[in-house]
Amino acid sequence: DAMVIQNPRYQVTQFGKPVTLSCSQTLNHNVMYWYQQKSSQAPKLLFHYYDKDFNNEADTPDNFQSRRPNTSFCFLDIRSPGLGDTAMYLCATSREEQAVTEAFFGQGTRLTVV
Amino acid sequence: RKEVEQDPGPFNVPEGATVAFNCTYSNSASQSFFWYRQDCRKEPKLLMSVYSSGNEDGRFTAQLNRASQYISLLIRDSKLSDSATYLCVVGTGNQFYFGTGTSLTVIP
Repeated sequence: DAMVIQNPRYQVTQFGKPVTLSCSQTLNHNVMYWYQQKSSQAPKLLFHYYDKDFNNEADTPDNFQSRRPNTSFCFLDIRSPGLGDTAMYLCATSREEQAVTEAFFGQGTRLTVV
Repeated sequence: RKEVEQDPGPFNVPEGATVAFNCTYSNSASQSFFWYRQDCRKEPKLLMSVYSSGNEDGRFTAQLNRASQYISLLIRDSKLSDSATYLCVVGTGNQFYFGTGTSLTVIP
């Protein structure tokens, strides 16, 4: 059974049209992460939450926002997608704030900006 | 300097071969180490955690050398189904750092 669920699996959006990606988890983990992964590259951390404590990476564009209304759900909002935002977006969870135990990944949302 | 470095490959090996992947990390304070497998256009999935004492799971053996800041993965008796990208992941503080992955293709 999937423990980290991302929706949608595939999303095509027009240049500049806001898009929201969602992630839910049944693991009751405190930490949730959003990663961006472009073709043949390593996943790049955009931000993470420890409970409701939001941590933004310094080089995450302002265009990317996130919300975590409760433990189970986390959203990634891209306010004005550009062509360069075409990528796989991965949500992950971890039990502890310190990266000691493994991260569990959702199946990803493949976003294409046209 | 990158936090985690891996040889991207690709590694093309025949079925039944033994193949080894290496990874180095830059932060001596890193506290956790993992190998993930990622199939094409899919999410990373945990293959195994890596401990200083080394650990083995069937055909897979992982080793950690803290002094050299080096992690390895050995795959014995390669199967066609082992074809994937193998990601070295290091936990440092409250973040996971990923290598770019090593691509493996097992050839019949």
